Amino acid sequence: GQQVMQIPQYQHVQEGEDFTTYCNSSTTLSNIQWYKQRPGGHPVFLIQLVKSGEVKKQKRLTFQFGEAKKNSSLHITATQTTDVGTYFCAGKTGNQFYFGTGTSLTVIP
Amino acid sequence: DAGVTQSPTHLIKTRGQQVTLRCSPKSGHDTVSWYQQALGQGPQFIFQYYEEEERQRGNFPDRFSGHQFPNYSSELNVNALLLGDSALYLCASNRGRVSTEAFFGQGTRLTVV
Repeated sequence: GQQVMQIPQYQHVQEGEDFTTYCNSSTTLSNIQWYKQRPGGHPVFLIQLVKSGEVKKQKRLTFQFGEAKKNSSLHITATQTTDVGTYFCAGKTGNQFYFGTGTSLTVIP
Repeated sequence: DAGVTQSPTHLIKTRGQQVTLRCSPKSGHDTVSWYQQALGQGPQFIFQYYEEEERQRGNFPDRFSGHQFPNYSSELNVNALLLGDSALYLCASNRGRVSTEAFFGQGTRLTVV
C-alpha cells in the first residue's frame, strides 16, 4: 500500500544551525503539502507543491519537490526556538492525502 | 472568523461503547475530512465528506462512520470501541474537493479504557 516515510524521526539542533527533513513516497504523488504541529497542538498548513522540481521559499524555510514527484524536502536555515515542533509531509495520491511519519525538531537555545 | 471547531476536546469511553465526535468547518469551507492521530504518529485519513456524502475513505473498518449536514458540519461515529481507538481525532476542512490548503481543528482526544 501507499507509504510516506520521513527521515529523520527526531532532530536536535543548536539554535542557529540548519535543519532538513526528507519525505519519500513509494508511489508518484500528484502534489505534496507540508504541515507543522507544535507539541499538544494540531497540524498547521505550511505550503503545497505541485510541479515536478518545484522549489518554494517562505522566509527561512525552503521546500522542494523532487523531479520524479516521489520525494520532497523541507530545509530551515538558522533555526530559532520558535521552529520547535513536528513537521509532516502529506502526499496526495488519487484523492487521498497520506501523511508522513513526521520529524520532531528540538532547538536548543 | 472562527476556524475549525471540534467538540468535545477530551473524552473517556469504555471499551465496547459508542462515541460521536463533532466538527464545524471554517467559514466558507464545504469539505470535511477526518483523521486519526495516534501518539507519536502522523495523521491517518479516515474519510472525507463533501455535499453530505462520503467521497473518499481510508483503511478504517466499518465501525467508523460519519455524516455531513447541510450546514457542512460533520460527525464522526465510532462503534464498539477498542482500546486501540484511543487517539487524537482531527477534523480538517477545505473549500471544494480539489486539493487546497486544509485547516485543522484542535482535535478531540479520545481515551478508551
